[in-house]
Amino acid sequence: AQSVTQPDIHITVSEGASLELRCNYSYGATPYLFWYVQSPGQGLQLLLKYFSGDTLVQGIKGFEAEFKRSQSSFNLRKPSVHWSDAAEYFCAVAPQTGGFKTIFGAGTRLFVKA
Amino acid sequence: DTAVSQTPKYLVTQMGNDKSIKCEQNLGHDTMYWYKQDSKKFLKIMFSYNNKELIINETVPNRFSPKSPDKAHLNLHINSLELGDSAVYFCASSKLDRGHTGELFFGEGSRLTVL
Repeated sequence: AQSVTQPDIHITVSEGASLELRCNYSYGATPYLFWYVQSPGQGLQLLLKYFSGDTLVQGIKGFEAEFKRSQSSFNLRKPSVHWSDAAEYFCAVAPQTGGFKTIFGAGTRLFVKA
Repeated sequence: DTAVSQTPKYLVTQMGNDKSIKCEQNLGHDTMYWYKQDSKKFLKIMFSYNNKELIINETVPNRFSPKSPDKAHLNLHINSLELGDSAVYFCASSKLDRGHTGELFFGEGSRLTVL
């Protein structure tokens, strides 16, 4: 069955510290991979996406993610977290063909402490 | 200029009532969606329309009826509301013709509270 697992329900990091949010997926073939961010009371916004090619992708707000096929993972990273990064982060997958159905992970809530 | 807009943003109603949520996108996309986000933030797809044709209909009670009058609009009508319908409903759109990869653009959500 197709699924996305974000093992950490919530993570707390200090401002200025580095961040890594984990994402693993189960899919028949390599899907398209996404990270979305949801600030309180807002809709989801795309941070970055992986379709093919270079396995390290850069996104907005200084985020990057690395696709590792052997581990079926697509972890999100940021070298230095800012207080404004506190939000809910969702990993998602969609099929590369007939891509109507995007499946989301359960989300990881990021808390940033001063 | 809002890309995906939903109305109303908040909706409080009694059990048994009927309510509608409207969604419009001005991105020129060909596919629109309704997602439900529960209190634990879990996002689940409910429906999807591609060029006004229903293409995804997950296991949603038939009290929920989507309607897409044109490619830019997707509405959601809910009959006989139940307590468990309380959630945030997100509209989203994407472009799925050749060369595009289905990234989703979301509205700000409509928070439905059933009392």
